[in-house]
Amino acid sequence: DAGITQSPRHKVTETGTPVTLRCHQTENHRYMYWYRQDPGHGLRLIHYSYGVKDTDKGEVSDGYSVSRSKTEDFLLTLESATSSQTSVYFCAIRGSGGPSNEQFFGPGTRLTVL
Amino acid sequence: GENVEQHPSTLSVQEGDSAVIKCTYSDSASNYFPWYKQELGKRPQLIIDIRSNVGEKKDQRIAVTLNKTAKHFSLHITETQPEDSAVYFCAALRVTTASKLTFGTGTRLQVTL
Repeated sequence: DAGITQSPRHKVTETGTPVTLRCHQTENHRYMYWYRQDPGHGLRLIHYSYGVKDTDKGEVSDGYSVSRSKTEDFLLTLESATSSQTSVYFCAIRGSGGPSNEQFFGPGTRLTVL
Repeated sequence: GENVEQHPSTLSVQEGDSAVIKCTYSDSASNYFPWYKQELGKRPQLIIDIRSNVGEKKDQRIAVTLNKTAKHFSLHITETQPEDSAVYFCAALRVTTASKLTFGTGTRLQVTL
């Protein structure tokens, strides 16, 4: 599992509340990614990080922010959750060895916004 | 940006038959093409990948082919087994520092007995 954990694994929240999802890795990888997975859309990149305090937007970044204050933790925050953000969220890390090296995914977080 | 289209969205085959999933990409600069398998309720896992300097790659019962001119690549699974039932995603990447993957929308493969 490449030492990736996500927390929480499941969360139900109400519209308008803030939500933070955590991705934790134990192998000191530089690159980390947040994706959301929805039926009919596959996996879409939300934000990614290429180092501590270095982050950039993906294709579906509106409504999301991220932070990375330590190598091992990459946090995804929904400032004010909406029903359209109900999804399964996967964190990924890029393995060592170069830009085309395999991305390993965490176990996922199922988020429901009521 | 890159756009990846994947077909079919669902595929049902009998055990022992072959399955083929096709993807096209839009960015001619993309040069790395991984395939991921996702079983129900689990995380996506890499099963095979191909780089643009190679036309075909095989690993036991699975193979991937790449046609750079036409900008399409395909996954071939031979002698399918029930454990091959899953959702398969193709992806494309232009190798840069950030290396952001763009995924297809997935193919649900069902292998029936």
